[in-house]
Amino acid sequence: SAVISQKPSRDICQRGTSLTIQCQVDSQVTMMFWYRQQPGQSLTLIATANQGSEATYESGFVIDKFPISRPNLTFSTLTVSNMSPEDSSIYLCSVGGGGPGNTIYFGEGSWLTVV
Amino acid sequence: GENVEQHPSTLSVQEGDSAVIKCTYSDSASNYFPWYKQELGKRPQLIIDIRSNVGEKKDQRIAVTLNKTAKHFSLHITETQPEDSAVYFCAASIGGTSYGKLTFGQGTILTVHP
Repeated sequence: SAVISQKPSRDICQRGTSLTIQCQVDSQVTMMFWYRQQPGQSLTLIATANQGSEATYESGFVIDKFPISRPNLTFSTLTVSNMSPEDSSIYLCSVGGGGPGNTIYFGEGSWLTVV
Repeated sequence: GENVEQHPSTLSVQEGDSAVIKCTYSDSASNYFPWYKQELGKRPQLIIDIRSNVGEKKDQRIAVTLNKTAKHFSLHITETQPEDSAVYFCAASIGGTSYGKLTFGQGTILTVHP
């Protein structure tokens, strides 16, 4: 199984600031995915990050608010920009699912609280 | 896009009883259906999954069934234990180049009483 490390694991952020979350995988993967889980809610896909191309965002999420980088096949970052209390969430990266036999794994998550 | 509905939102059972959680999906192209267990303060953990070419899959006390015609799938937990208490999420993926893109259900809070 893939080992996925996320940093930071938790943070308390000031309103109006930006925070970058890092996701490191122990093997090369084609696609990485970023999800958001608001308090007491389910997981929602923010975007798909492919190495060498622009990230693909889901409806309701825009690049200006959630810029993503994917510099190589084992690493990605998600920035939450100009944060407001509504951005308080768990942000999770995931990998896998590249084919019918591949399991989808989640990182440990980054718990962000915006005050 | 895909829409996944999950029921019930909360489920309370006595230890040793069975628990069943049901999900329906809207996109007939979906062909991968994982179930995740999330304990408080932790990430979702895959507990079982099923692909569209299979109708049922079992792993010890956990089983998942899939009805492609009706577009619904269910999680069955037998002989429940207090440590099964958690939030359970179903999800669906349409596969292909989008295989890793999951649409999640709303979640079910399962409480197993000793």
